[in-house]
Amino acid sequence: RKEVEQDPGPFNVPEGATVAFNCTYSNSASQSFFWYRQDCRKEPKLLMSVYSSGNEDGRFTAQLNRASQYISLLIRDSKLSDSATYLCVVSLYGGSQGNLIFGKGTKLSVKP
Amino acid sequence: DAGVTQSPTHLIKTRGQHVTLRCSPISGHKSVSWYQQVLGQGPQFIFQYYEKEERGRGNFPDRFSARQFPNYSSELNVNALLLGDSALYLCASRQDSLRSPLHFGNGTRLTVT
Repeated sequence: RKEVEQDPGPFNVPEGATVAFNCTYSNSASQSFFWYRQDCRKEPKLLMSVYSSGNEDGRFTAQLNRASQYISLLIRDSKLSDSATYLCVVSLYGGSQGNLIFGKGTKLSVKP
Repeated sequence: DAGVTQSPTHLIKTRGQHVTLRCSPISGHKSVSWYQQVLGQGPQFIFQYYEKEERGRGNFPDRFSARQFPNYSSELNVNALLLGDSALYLCASRQDSLRSPLHFGNGTRLTVT
């Protein structure tokens, strides 16, 4: 089983649609969770951290279910500029050691 | 504030050669990590350094090595290049705290011919 698994995608949605991405992780000791966004041929950029209580940033909502080892990202009112690959990321440790483990990513294409 | 900087941005090498990639972290970040990203995949962890010590190593052959300098900058070295080493090499820095995310540089795109 892969350490971080994501919906295979691609997701092709019209502008204004609501789209949800799911992610599961295998190591129950995982401590930190993130969603990154990566545009074509660019570096990944942090979209948002994911907290146990769930968190929202504008049109983006992230949820974490530790019992099910499941993370989600909801994008409301999709914009053309949301087109990108979304990477689910987990970390076992803090910044002084360890590494972040990335899923393969889910590609989103928002059409006019 | 300057972000993570990497050099060079692009590089073309032939099989068997070696390459050195360089990275400067965000000021104040002591942790530097290296990732390899091949097309269609998520970034794969290669190394992490913290305070000049190796703190983590991914599943990469011994041809890959790295080091961190007193100013926290870092180098990634790859010897005896193979075609399969062609990828985007990403450097990232991170603060110490548990919930701190990685901040990536623009990457070095390595092509091995």
